[in-house]
Amino acid sequence: GENVGLHLPTLSVQEGDNSIINCAYSNSASDYFIWYKQESGKGPQFIIDIRSNMDKRQGQRVTVLLNKTVKHLSLQIAATQPGDSAVYFCAEIYTGANSKLTFGKGITLSVRP
Amino acid sequence: DAGITQSPRHKVTETGTPVTLRCHQTENHRYMYWYRQDPGHGLRLIHYSYGVKDTDKGEVSDGYSVSRSKTEDFLLTLESATSSQTSVYFCAITPGLAGGKTDTQYFGPGTRLTVL
Repeated sequence: GENVGLHLPTLSVQEGDNSIINCAYSNSASDYFIWYKQESGKGPQFIIDIRSNMDKRQGQRVTVLLNKTVKHLSLQIAATQPGDSAVYFCAEIYTGANSKLTFGKGITLSVRP
Repeated sequence: DAGITQSPRHKVTETGTPVTLRCHQTENHRYMYWYRQDPGHGLRLIHYSYGVKDTDKGEVSDGYSVSRSKTEDFLLTLESATSSQTSVYFCAITPGLAGGKTDTQYFGPGTRLTVL
């Protein structure tokens, strides 16, 4: 929604620079992670995912890194563009018994021209 | 938006009135979800469905009911809207027939609801 960025931390980057967006997750047993992008007034959009048996996964201009030791997930965006301005949030998923999906609150990425 | 449509896209209503939001998909997905999104909160699950007439509660289900009488439509009803239900509501699906509620979800465009 339009106000999804309110109350969220903001990362401001220069156009062309690389961006790193971080997410701390809570459940050490979570075994699947997703990054979403949400532009103003739109629904969340899937960007990339990673399973817990991987440390790194690359997509087009994006890379997700997973550090299970410290329960940390990061999204790297190469050569950030104005169109990358949005709220980014992670989702952690535990697929075992009593499975659970939890969405993070997100970070606003602002790209300076 | 994953082939999902939501209607209406915007609605303003008064406290105490009933409101129904519709989510429509055309690709025979089994799992459908309703979330609300509020500033300062992550997406919170209201209800979900795993088939026609099969629904279950999420973490914030109080004050909401759902129905799924056919595969393509998942309705969210606020029986008596309150100001605390002012929010943006998103419908989501898990693709296919086998996907479950911990598989990747894809979201619709959202409905902005204001309860005065």
